[in-house]
Amino acid sequence: EAAVTQSPRSKVAVTGGKVTLSCHQTNNHDYMYWYRQDTGHGLRLIHYSYVADSTEKGDIPDGYKASRPSQENFSLILELASLSQTAVYFCASRDRVDTGQLYFGEGSKLTVL
Amino acid sequence: GDSVTQTEGLVTLTEGLPVMLNCTYQTAYSTFLFWYVQHLNEAPKLLLKSSTDNKRTEHQGFHATLHKSSSSFHLQKSSAQLSDSALYYCALSERNNNAPRFGAGTKLTVKP
Repeated sequence: EAAVTQSPRSKVAVTGGKVTLSCHQTNNHDYMYWYRQDTGHGLRLIHYSYVADSTEKGDIPDGYKASRPSQENFSLILELASLSQTAVYFCASRDRVDTGQLYFGEGSKLTVL
Repeated sequence: GDSVTQTEGLVTLTEGLPVMLNCTYQTAYSTFLFWYVQHLNEAPKLLLKSSTDNKRTEHQGFHATLHKSSSSFHLQKSSAQLSDSALYYCALSERNNNAPRFGAGTKLTVKP
């Protein structure tokens, strides 16, 4: 069954530490996205990619890097985690020729202390 | 740039009453509009989608009509159920853009 899986599902990190959130999809989709979810702000786009080895900045890219080493994998990297990056992060994929419907992973809850 | 506005952050209803969640948008391009639903501790999932002006689309008891003249795509249901309690997101995706945009979300709570 096609799916988007994220790891870890939950993580506690220290301020200034490095965090990597991973996403793997078996949908054979070209497009992948990282969104951040905060109460009152909805889902905000951090980075996205429409082909392997290429990433694009979204609306709130500061403090985040992204890596797309293959069609299936898309990582979000926080080099120096900060308290303000405590949130739930969702990865999603989309077919290039589809209507724009996103298929989401289960989310990664990040707490920075 | 593109934007989606959901005016209600929190909506609380009594079971059996009608549901209406508002969504308006701004875009310069032809686009798809979506409603996603997210139940507690789950991923957002597609509820409805549309790109056709003035055509009603329905799924799981919910319906919405895209009105391009007013840039609206309001979500409605005739009778709320306890299981409808969830977070609802309106989103738009341009035909020529790779990054769907979301509204701030509306948390719907249905009480007995």
